[in-house]
Amino acid sequence: EAQVTQNPRYLITVTGKKLTVTCSQNMNHEYMSWYRQDPGLGLRQIYYSMNVEVTDKGDVPEGYKVSRKEKRNFPLILESPSPNQTSLYFCASRPGLPYEQYFGPGTRLTVT
Amino acid sequence: EDKVVQSPLSLVVHEGDTVTLNCSYEVTNFRSLLWYKQEKKAPTFLFMLTSSGIEKKSGRLSSILDKKELFSILNITATQTGDSAVYLCAVEPGNQFYFGTGTSLTVIP
Repeated sequence: EAQVTQNPRYLITVTGKKLTVTCSQNMNHEYMSWYRQDPGLGLRQIYYSMNVEVTDKGDVPEGYKVSRKEKRNFPLILESPSPNQTSLYFCASRPGLPYEQYFGPGTRLTVT
Repeated sequence: EDKVVQSPLSLVVHEGDTVTLNCSYEVTNFRSLLWYKQEKKAPTFLFMLTSSGIEKKSGRLSSILDKKELFSILNITATQTGDSAVYLCAVEPGNQFYFGTGTSLTVIP
């Protein structure tokens, strides 16, 4: 089944403890992206990647890192999480233009 | 700064009503506008619009883009309770995506 998977789906952690949220797609898509969704602010793009080894900042990259060493994987790294990074995170992928994005199921992160 | 504004913020209608959701945008290098439906989980794709004046249609849902006036509308006819969701509009200038905050639609039986 064609899909975008994220792990973990739920995570509660403490301030400053490094964490990684994994994202994987099995559709051979070139474009991958991370978003966070907060009440009243909608979906905001954190980082995106046009292809392997190519990543760019989105609207809200501060406090996050990404890497794209393989086409299928695009992990999101929080080196030192803070409470303001408590949010619902979505990974998405698309085959390229002019196609839509496919979203993963989401990861709910709570930083205390 | 690129911006996407959706209206209304929320809407409550009765089954069978027709609704129109609005999305206006201000972006440079417009490439496409997309509509998504979100029901307490990941957004699911509805439409992608790239050309002005061409209506996209899927069952009771339809959407049209006006690139001159910088807006799009999403119409839902004969609404059903299953249409209750948040509808998101996104605009793609270049390689990024900008989302509006969404319109929350509630359909009452």
